[in-house]
Order: sequence, then C-alpha cells, then structure tokens
Amino acid sequence: GAVVSQHPSRVICKSGTSVKIECRSLDFQATTMFWYRQFPKKSLMLMATSNEGSKATYEQGVEKDKFLINHASLTLSTLTVTSAHPEDSSFYICSVQNLNTGELFFGEGSRLTVL
Amino acid sequence: RKEVEQDPGPFNVPEGATVAFNCTYSNSASQSFFWYRQDCRKEPKLLMSVYSSGNEDGRFTAQLNRASQYISLLIRDSKLSDSATYLCVVNRNNDMRFGAGTRLTVKP
Repeated sequence: GAVVSQHPSRVICKSGTSVKIECRSLDFQATTMFWYRQFPKKSLMLMATSNEGSKATYEQGVEKDKFLINHASLTLSTLTVTSAHPEDSSFYICSVQNLNTGELFFGEGSRLTVL
Repeated sequence: RKEVEQDPGPFNVPEGATVAFNCTYSNSASQSFFWYRQDCRKEPKLLMSVYSSGNEDGRFTAQLNRASQYISLLIRDSKLSDSATYLCVVNRNNDMRFGAGTRLTVKP
C-alpha cells in the first residue's frame, strides 16, 4: 500500500489564485518531508524541506513567500502556491524518508496547471 | 560540476537487448545509493538500492565503484515495460541528490 498520499493529483486554476497541496505520511511519523518540483523532461528539483513544528528550509532560488509550507503534524505537510502564475505550472511531488535505510517514498504527485 | 551526473539518453533498444546506465557522483562522502524508476507523469519508485558488493534482482544488476565514484545499472533481456526514466540517487547524511535521469525506450 501507499506510504505517502498526496492530494490533489491534478489541479487547474486561474492566474492569481492560490493552490494548496497536501502530503500525508501513512506508514510512519515523519518529522521531515521534502517538496520537489519537476518540469517536463527535467529532473526532480528539491524546493524545500518541511520540518514538523518549525520553519521549512528552502533551497536557493525558491521564494518562501511564494511557496508556503506548513508541517503541522507528524503525518501532514502542505505546500501552498500563492498567487499562482502560468510559469508555476509543474509537477509537484512530496516525499518522506526512512532514516534507517535512506530510502525515499514519494507521493503520487500533483500536476498544477495555471491558466 | 553537478553532484550527480547521468547520461540523459535517450537509449532506444530492441526487446531482449541488454542496456547499461552509469551515474557518477562528486562527493566521496556519499553513503548510500539508489536507482529509482519514473514513468511518464508518475512519481519515482525505488527500483533497487545499490550495495558495495553489487546486487542483482532478476534482470537488474546494480554495482557501485567507490574508488571511481560511479554506480551502474544493467538491465538484461529488456522488456517493453522497462521503458521509463531511471534516476540515480545519492545519499549523504540523509541529504538525497538526484541525477537528471536516463530515458530508456524499449521497442518491439
């Protein structure tokens, strides 16, 4: 069964609106979750590391005010794309990591299209 | 220089062929290594971990060369269903770094 559940899988919105994506860890408590973005035919790019109970750590070049991350519990992290624009259209994926083995488990991904 | 580098391909091979991918990494302190498979418009899924002694899972063989800082993936007897992008992932202190992926297309 799925270890990580991500919702919604697909969203289409108008430019200027905000979109929230949820990532749930189903099998274990995750103090840390990771958010990635992937453009067509490109590799996964780490956007930020979500930390339960504290601020997220953003990668260089990722605007924290644009991509709001909240990690309110050990099983849920949310990514909100604020005031979305067409260039934000992408595939957003979250993951959790088994700290014993290093293995990453990914959510199913959320495909965002901004019109 | 990128931390993890892969030949992006594409590799176009006939069914039944043997194909090999290489991946190099720059940080010698990297601790663990993985191959993930990603189908179009889907999330990556673990194909196999890569152990120092090399490991095999059916038609798939992974090897690690720490001295030269590369890992490899060998696929024997390719199937149509093997068509996907293969991502090399390198872990250091739970900081995972991804290669750009190698695209494989297996044709009838």
